[in-house]
Amino acid sequence: KAGVTQTPRYLIKTRGQQVTLSCSPISGHRSVSWYQQTPGQGLQFLFEYFSETQRNKGNFPGRFSGRQFSNSRSEMNVSTLELGDSALYLCASRSWGGLETQYFGPGTRLLVL
Amino acid sequence: GQQLNQSPQSMFIQEGEDVSMNCTSSSIFNTWLWYKQDPGEGPVLLIALYKAGELTSNGRLTAQFGITRKDSFLNISASIPSDVGIYFCAGQLQGAQKLVFGQGTRLTINP
Repeated sequence: KAGVTQTPRYLIKTRGQQVTLSCSPISGHRSVSWYQQTPGQGLQFLFEYFSETQRNKGNFPGRFSGRQFSNSRSEMNVSTLELGDSALYLCASRSWGGLETQYFGPGTRLLVL
Repeated sequence: GQQLNQSPQSMFIQEGEDVSMNCTSSSIFNTWLWYKQDPGEGPVLLIALYKAGELTSNGRLTAQFGITRKDSFLNISASIPSDVGIYFCAGQLQGAQKLVFGQGTRLTINP
């Protein structure tokens, strides 16, 4: 079974731009979560989608948004990029079981200049 | 917000040594998870703990869920080169469907 895939793997943007990241979950998994990983703040939960609906949300500003499609693929968008948005963005998918069942993708490394 | 204090931040050990790391919090968690992250990859689950006092092993790895439900530790015995990486603890608060992560412990092994 293929794992969680994320595209692109690397991205360079400038301040003020917006970016869209994509995540394809493991086949059969209907939940997709997004995390931001930075050296200073560690791994922080952004939001989770299940059946095209946002079910949980972390403490991030409204510039961070997401959506999920009917095939469970998810996208995350960050508008008006700031230097501090430079991070590794991780996606994790699970069937609607416990959080211990989620599998992480390799991440998209975003650099904002 | 809730925070997990993970220590140590980094460890430099010799191959064959045992390793111990822990996480503490002021909050009570009903699930503790331990992950390992290799460079360029996402975290991979090592051990999941569900009950206070629970002690669980996975090969050379052993983890325990603290009695107070506010802490957990991970031990690695007889370390080998492939143990190199960053180890994260994560906790799930009761009723919450999201994880809080520790800052990670970076393990380096000298052959």
